[in-house]
Amino acid sequence: SQTIHQWPATLVQPVGSPLSLECTVEGTSNPNLYWYRQAAGRGLQLLFYSVGIGQISSEVPQNLSASRPQDRQFILSSKKLLLSDSGFYLCAWSPLRTGATGELFFGEGSRLTVL
Amino acid sequence: KNQVEQSPQSLIILEGKNCTLQCNYTVSPFSNLRWYKQDTGRGPVSLTIMTFSENTKSNGRYTATLDADTKQSSLHITASQLSDSASYICVVSAAGKELSFGAGTTVTVRA
Repeated sequence: SQTIHQWPATLVQPVGSPLSLECTVEGTSNPNLYWYRQAAGRGLQLLFYSVGIGQISSEVPQNLSASRPQDRQFILSSKKLLLSDSGFYLCAWSPLRTGATGELFFGEGSRLTVL
Repeated sequence: KNQVEQSPQSLIILEGKNCTLQCNYTVSPFSNLRWYKQDTGRGPVSLTIMTFSENTKSNGRYTATLDADTKQSSLHITASQLSDSASYICVVSAAGKELSFGAGTTVTVRA
C-alpha cells in the first residue's frame, strides 16, 4: 500500500532563518506531488506541484521554493522565513493530474510558526 | 472570490444527533466533487466522491448529495459520534484546472 511521510510535524523558527520541509511517498512510482498551505478559516492553497523529477510548477509567487530531487521525494524550502510564512503545510500525492478524478492523499502536515 | 463556499463555518451538535453541511460552487466545467474529513492537526482524508451523474452516495454514517443543476452539495452525518469532530472540506474538480477547495466546516460533537 502507498504511504506518505512528512516531517517535521512541528517547528518554530525565527524570522530570517531557513526552512526545509521534507515529504516522501512509498509504494508507488511517478506520483504527482503537491505542497499546500492551510491558513486558519481558509481553504487549502496550492503552492507547488510536480509531475516528475526536477519538474516544479509554482502557483503562487512567494518566499518559498520546492525541489524534487528523487521520484518520490518533495522538499519545500525557504532561504529566509517571513512572519507570513507561518501556517500548516501539507504534502500530498496523486496518481493522476488534478482536475481528473484522482484523489489526493495527504501527509500528516507540518505546523510552522515563525517568530 | 472563492469558487467553493461552505456553510456553516462551524457547528456544535450533541452526540447521536444528525447534521448537514452545505457546499455551493461555481467551478466550471464540473468534473467531480469530493468531501474530505480533516482531524485537528492531521491531513485531510477523502470521504466520498460525486460525479456529474450521481445524486447521492453514502459512506457509513456519511451521506453526500449533489445537485449539478444548482451547483450544490451537502454532507449529512447521521447519529453523530465524538470521533466525527473534525473539519469537513468540499473540493471541486474542474476539467483541466486545479482543484478548488472550500474553507471547511468545523464540526464539534459533544457528549
